[in-house]
Amino acid sequence: SQQGEEDPQALSIQEGENATMNCSYKTSINNLQWYRQNSGRGLVHLILIRSNEREKHSGRLRVTLDTSKKSSSLLITASRAADTASYFCLGSGGSNYKLTFGKGTLLTVNP
Amino acid sequence: NAGVTQTPKFRVLKTGQSMTLLCAQDMNHEYMYWYRQDPGMGLRLIHYSVGEGTTAKGEVPDGYNVSRLKKQNFLLGLESAAPSQTSVYFCASSYSWQINYGYTFGSGTRLTVV
Repeated sequence: SQQGEEDPQALSIQEGENATMNCSYKTSINNLQWYRQNSGRGLVHLILIRSNEREKHSGRLRVTLDTSKKSSSLLITASRAADTASYFCLGSGGSNYKLTFGKGTLLTVNP
Repeated sequence: NAGVTQTPKFRVLKTGQSMTLLCAQDMNHEYMYWYRQDPGMGLRLIHYSVGEGTTAKGEVPDGYNVSRLKKQNFLLGLESAAPSQTSVYFCASSYSWQINYGYTFGSGTRLTVV
């Protein structure tokens, strides 16, 4: 099944610092997506990178994708307290409809 | 506003009771999913549907049934609730699973089985 596994499980930084989270997946994908989940809420789609792209930017977000290593990273620059949330990656495409998530990275940004 | 709506938002059940969770989307999405989220476990896929009239099992289907009689609705049923089914349930939908579309999630249903 398609999958994303995030690393580290938890990350604590100071406001203004950059936060980097990593994701690994197991099978071929058409795209990889990152989601944010604030405590007690549903997941919100942040950014999608296609398998033929290596890097993508959206505001303070930068995503990279290395299909040879089956890995992706999400960089949040100049973090804010409001960025405190769990972040999940999801690889989709290929031949399997079962979209499975990892446990996420819990990011805490301290004021 | 367009999106995914889950009802109810909260529910407390007694062991053995039954209930149905409703997920409704107004985006004409083909694909719909039900997940449960437990502390330290991430999101686990219960069942999914790739179109009206279709359903398939996910990672943790036992104790749940689903139906997709109408394209816009995906129902999750608990026939005989157990305390192990205490969780937060999320529904998601997508136009397509393999083309470059993201998934839209509902805000969740918090279910407690006592």
